Parts: sequence; structure tokens; C-alpha cells
Amino acid sequence: QVQLVQSGAEVKKPGASVKVSCKASGYTFTSYDINWVRQATGQGLEWMGWMNPNSGNTGYAQKFQGRVTMTRNTSISTAYMELSSLRSEDTAVYYCAREDGGGSQPWDAFDIWGQGTMVTVSS
Amino acid sequence: QSVLTQPPSASGTPGQRVTISCSGSSSNIGSNTVNWYQQLPGTAPKLLIYSNNQRPSGVPDRFSGSKSGTSASLAISGLQSEDEADYYCAAWDDSLNEWVFGGGTKLTVL
Repeated sequence: QVQLVQSGAEVKKPGASVKVSCKASGYTFTSYDINWVRQATGQGLEWMGWMNPNSGNTGYAQKFQGRVTMTRNTSISTAYMELSSLRSEDTAVYYCAREDGGGSQPWDAFDIWGQGTMVTVSS
Repeated sequence: QSVLTQPPSASGTPGQRVTISCSGSSSNIGSNTVNWYQQLPGTAPKLLIYSNNQRPSGVPDRFSGSKSGTSASLAISGLQSEDEADYYCAAWDDSLNEWVFGGGTKLTVL
């Protein structure tokens, strides 16, 4: 079945970096953009950026420009999100999500989500 | 402060119809389609409505969406206990070049 499986929970110190992986299966990895969305405990959803697995092109939310890097390894159908200069406010669950639609379609949406990766930033 | 505005909470009794609103602007809802996501406690979000009013396969027809101008709404009819969840609206914002979400609405089934 179509699914995204993310890497396990991480605990990092302030100032460090974290790299979360998102492995796709059940579909052609390079045919759909991957987005990253995070959610602090008890808070809402916050979009971080997108990546086109075919071209490697990316687009990041202004808030994360300079701190986030999204990459991929097409040979293993895996997307990565690396966030640097971590601070306590970055403690959250990070989700990857497949984006369907766009292009010739007049709509697009996040139709498949990973299970989430808890990142805790604490000294 | 979210770009899209939703009421923080909503409630209803089993069998009732409830609606959740989502207000935006000309650069997001006014010019792009709206999606709705359902997040059950402790789980990842799930696509509930896309392109304003389309249901993905498997989503009951009790859920419906609509859009008018710079606002959108999600309606749930025949409310069931398993509908208790957080609901988020989302749209692409042409000015920010970002996806924007509402702050979420916590639905309680009384």
C-alpha cells in the first residue's frame, strides 16, 4: 500500500542539527512532491517547505529559510529534512506528506502522511 | 497567529449537523482551493476534503466542504462519536508562496 514511513524519535541539544527521514513505498517516489509539516505539542500544523524528488528543487517557508534543508535519495525512495541551530521552540512532531495534484490539476493536497517523528530539543 | 482563521472549538450531539468555518484572504482562499484535514487524537493528519468540496475515496459523505469568496466551511452531518478530532483548513498563499493552515478546531461530541 502507499505509505510514508519516518525515522524514530530524536533528542537533541540546543544548537545541534537533526535529520529526519521519510521512506516512500507503494508508488513512484519521483512523481509526487514531498512536504514537511510540524506540530508542537497542543498546537496547530505549521508548513515548513516542499521538495520535488525528481528535480531536487525545493521551496521553504520564510520562517525556516537558512535553517532547513530538504534532500532526497531516489535510489532508496527516501526524503530527508534537516533542521539546524535547534532551539527549544523546535520541539515538535515533524511530518512528511505527499502532495497530490498540482501541475495540470487545478488543485493539490497532502494525501498521504507519515506517522510523525518526535524531535525534542533540551539541554 | 494563523493566516487562516478557524474557531478554536465546536461541539454537537450525536446525529446533529455541525459546521466549522475557515476565513482567509484574496491571496489564499480567494484564489486557491481549500483542503480540510482531520486529526484524531495521537495520530497524523488525514486528508478529509480537497479542492473545496471533494472527498477522497473512503471518506463518508457525511463530510462536505464549501467555499465562497475568501471563506470556506466544513460540514459534518449525522455526527458520530468517532468524529471527535481536530480539524484544519489549508490553502496555498500566492503572496507568501507558502501553504497556510488554520489554527485548528477541536470538535467535541457531547
